[in-house]
Amino acid sequence: EAGVTQSPRYAVLQEGQAVSFWCDPISGHDTLYWYQQPRDQGPQLLVYFRDEAVIDNSQLPSDRFSAVRPKGTNSTLKIQSAKQGDTATYLCASSFGHSGNTLYFGEGSRLIVV
Amino acid sequence: AQKVTQTQTSISVMEKTTVTMDCVYETQDSSYFLFWYKQTASGEIVFLIRQDSYKKENATVGHYSLNFQKPKSSIGLIITATQIEDSAVYFCAMRETSNTDKVVFGTGTRLQVSP
Repeated sequence: EAGVTQSPRYAVLQEGQAVSFWCDPISGHDTLYWYQQPRDQGPQLLVYFRDEAVIDNSQLPSDRFSAVRPKGTNSTLKIQSAKQGDTATYLCASSFGHSGNTLYFGEGSRLIVV
Repeated sequence: AQKVTQTQTSISVMEKTTVTMDCVYETQDSSYFLFWYKQTASGEIVFLIRQDSYKKENATVGHYSLNFQKPKSSIGLIITATQIEDSAVYFCAMRETSNTDKVVFGTGTRLQVSP
């Protein structure tokens, strides 16, 4: 069974540039999460989906960040006009169902904004 | 709102000893799930062990076990007979049933196991 796949693995931007991160969850997993993990910190939830619906995007900086999961499978997280403070690893995780089911993480996409 | 706090930023132990990592949580829910995950040096995050709030017995998986103290809102991770490869960052996480799918993580504890 394939795991959670993310791309690109690395991105280096200048401030003001845009970037998109792509995530392919484990087949059959209906719930998909995007986390931001700054260096030496814990994963911080940005947004999560159940199928194609956004369940909670309250922590997503809506003026520059957006996330979609149009068919309830793959997902894209986009950052427009990146800032140095966006430097972090962006983690995608998926899960089947809810409650006690565990999360499976991708390898992450490392973003550096200079 | 749910919250998870890990106050230990790093711990160093000798190989083959036992280590305990602390975690306290805040929730308004009467039912919730608590998890521990491990992040290796490569960045990979893997699930280790889970505690269901309605269960009184502490969960155990391999050389990982939990010390669940519900009245104190505490869920400690115990690693017995530590190995060099246990060196990693350990995260505590919580999932409330009322929020169905929202999973919140602590800031992590870095464990260094020396020979």
